[in-house]
Amino acid sequence: EVQLVESGGGLVQPGRSLRLSCAASGFTFDDYAMHWVRQAPGKGLEWVSGISWNSGSIGYADSVKGRFTISRDNAKNSLYLQMNSLRAEDTALYYCAKLAGPAVAGSIDYWGQGTLVTVSS
Amino acid sequence: DIQMTQSPSSLSASVGDRVTITCQASQDISNYLNWYQQKPGKAPKLLIYDASNLETGVPSRFSGSGSGTDFTFTISSLQPEDIATYYCQQYDNLPVTFGPGTKVDIK
Repeated sequence: EVQLVESGGGLVQPGRSLRLSCAASGFTFDDYAMHWVRQAPGKGLEWVSGISWNSGSIGYADSVKGRFTISRDNAKNSLYLQMNSLRAEDTALYYCAKLAGPAVAGSIDYWGQGTLVTVSS
Repeated sequence: DIQMTQSPSSLSASVGDRVTITCQASQDISNYLNWYQQKPGKAPKLLIYDASNLETGVPSRFSGSGSGTDFTFTISSLQPEDIATYYCQQYDNLPVTFGPGTKVDIK
């Protein structure tokens, strides 16, 4: 059974940093691309970042480019999102998501349950 | 970036009704279009991939069609468990983009 478990969310002040982690199990992690998708309270889905199976292809939403960094450790079956210079508008539930193939663009076939990030003073 | 629009933004229908949602891309995305269902308090779930392919395990009352810029998602006979928000998503180009969602409830 595919499982994606996010961690690392919490309350953080504007301008500070946070690192999200996603522990993956139930599939061959290094065969698949991974994404982060977020959802602000009461709002729709917003793609944040994606990484291909071998980290060779990476993309970011314009809203986070230059502030967030996605990475993966295939030996640890883990996905990460380093978030710097956080803003109030980054407040959201952050989902870790598995793609159906190795390329960074594709269909998301599994989602985690999300970790909540709240940016507030 | 490719912009995705959806209509309607919300709808209310009776059990057994046929429900149709449309999604339009700001440029040609071929068939690189997915549909997701999100129930309240839950993570999204993939229903349709590549515009018209039903994900394994998804009931056959759900279907999708279209290519290029115009796409349609249909629930052939609305069931109470279909109460949810439905999102289209394009993956022709990064950044991946989602539509704003269509909230479906029972009349």
